[in-house]
Amino acid sequence: DTAVSQTPKYLVTQMGNDKSIKCEQNLGHDTMYWYKQDSKKFLKIMFSYNNKELIINETVPNRFSPKSPDKAHLNLHINSLELGDSAVYFCASSQRVQVEQFFGPGTRLTVL
Amino acid sequence: AQKITQTQPGMFVQEKEAVTLDCTYDTSDPSYGLFWYKQPSSGEMIFLIYQGSYDQQNATEGRYSLNFQKARKSANLVISASQLGDSAMYFCAMRGRNSWGKLQFGAGTQVVVTP
Repeated sequence: DTAVSQTPKYLVTQMGNDKSIKCEQNLGHDTMYWYKQDSKKFLKIMFSYNNKELIINETVPNRFSPKSPDKAHLNLHINSLELGDSAVYFCASSQRVQVEQFFGPGTRLTVL
Repeated sequence: AQKITQTQPGMFVQEKEAVTLDCTYDTSDPSYGLFWYKQPSSGEMIFLIYQGSYDQQNATEGRYSLNFQKARKSANLVISASQLGDSAMYFCAMRGRNSWGKLQFGAGTQVVVTP
């Protein structure tokens, strides 16, 4: 009965590779988000989708491409991984944009 | 532009005592929301409490209460009767009315509860 799930939980890969992180929510929410938490624990939003439409796109390199096939899923694809992409990536969801967001367990990405 | 400031990088509190975590914010939005999240060492982000800028009363959720002082632009979290399981990183966050749900987070405060 997991509310917001992410796969994989850990991802270790080499520089230059392409990888994807998947997110699914079973809360019936209409808005989903991707956040990045750096090594100093600072959290910053990357993207947000409302009803499968992109509504927030922060200044993220275009190597990062989100995709929302339906309201319950928001995936993050990263091309040409760099060392600086190492971080924990959190998916979150909310019902409408004005209420609390529920976070997934996070995906720890390590780029070697 | 919005800004959230948490000035306490870390603090120790004894079990069963209350602790106050400071959070100040800056925004030009007339309507906004303030949130607190807990991140234990296991890494997940747990929503604790929410305060709307037009709410007349301070929010409370069990042992958590939010001391909202709008004129001072502060939204401090009070945890009463601390428990060992409260040891975690605590983040204050803000969402402006016109921000499409974007949460702006503070740097966090690491709380360690000691027996």
